[in-house]
Amino acid sequence: AQSVAQPEDQVNVAEGNPLTVKCTYSVSGNPYLFWYVQYPNRGLQFLLKYITGDNLVKGSYGFEAEFNKSQTSFHLKKPSALVSDSALYFCAVRDRGNKLIFGTGTLLAVQP
Amino acid sequence: GAGVSQSPRYKVAKRGQDVALRCDPISGHVSLFWYQQALGQGPEFLTYFQNEAQLDKSGLPSDRFFAERPEGSVSTLKIQRTQQEDSAVYLCASGRGGALSYNEQFFGPGTRLTVL
Repeated sequence: AQSVAQPEDQVNVAEGNPLTVKCTYSVSGNPYLFWYVQYPNRGLQFLLKYITGDNLVKGSYGFEAEFNKSQTSFHLKKPSALVSDSALYFCAVRDRGNKLIFGTGTLLAVQP
Repeated sequence: GAGVSQSPRYKVAKRGQDVALRCDPISGHVSLFWYQQALGQGPEFLTYFQNEAQLDKSGLPSDRFFAERPEGSVSTLKIQRTQQEDSAVYLCASGRGGALSYNEQFFGPGTRLTVL
């Protein structure tokens, strides 16, 4: 069965510093991976996805993610964090039938 | 453009009541998904429609849960005889492609259901 793990419940970073939100995956076959962000009382917003090709995927709001097959990881990164990036971040993997299997989420807190 | 909308945004039900949650997907989107998100957890899949066909309902937790999409657009998730454990946020998502696509899903704001 497909699954993703987000080992950190919370990540704290100072504004202007680089941020990383970790995700590892376990799949049978090729992995199709996604990152979503959730702001309070709002639905999930798509950030980026990896289907195939370049291991560095660029997405919305300056975020990018690095696919690493040997480490089975798909970490989300941003070179310079903003206070407005503070939110809940979910990693997800596509399962059969196109449904998504989500991780437990990581709360990103960016301090001014 | 218009995104996915859901109504009501908040619903309080007494245990044993039936509820109906509505989802209006993005126009033209073939795929429609329902997810359940418990407090502090990631969304969990409930069911999937491709147009009007319900292709996967493996995530529905019991036969009290029923979903339909009769004309391939608007969808309704119905929960009969609600229980306290049904309290959660119910998220609807739509996508351009069918079951074999790799398109991202666009999520609505969710309906927060509280069962007293």
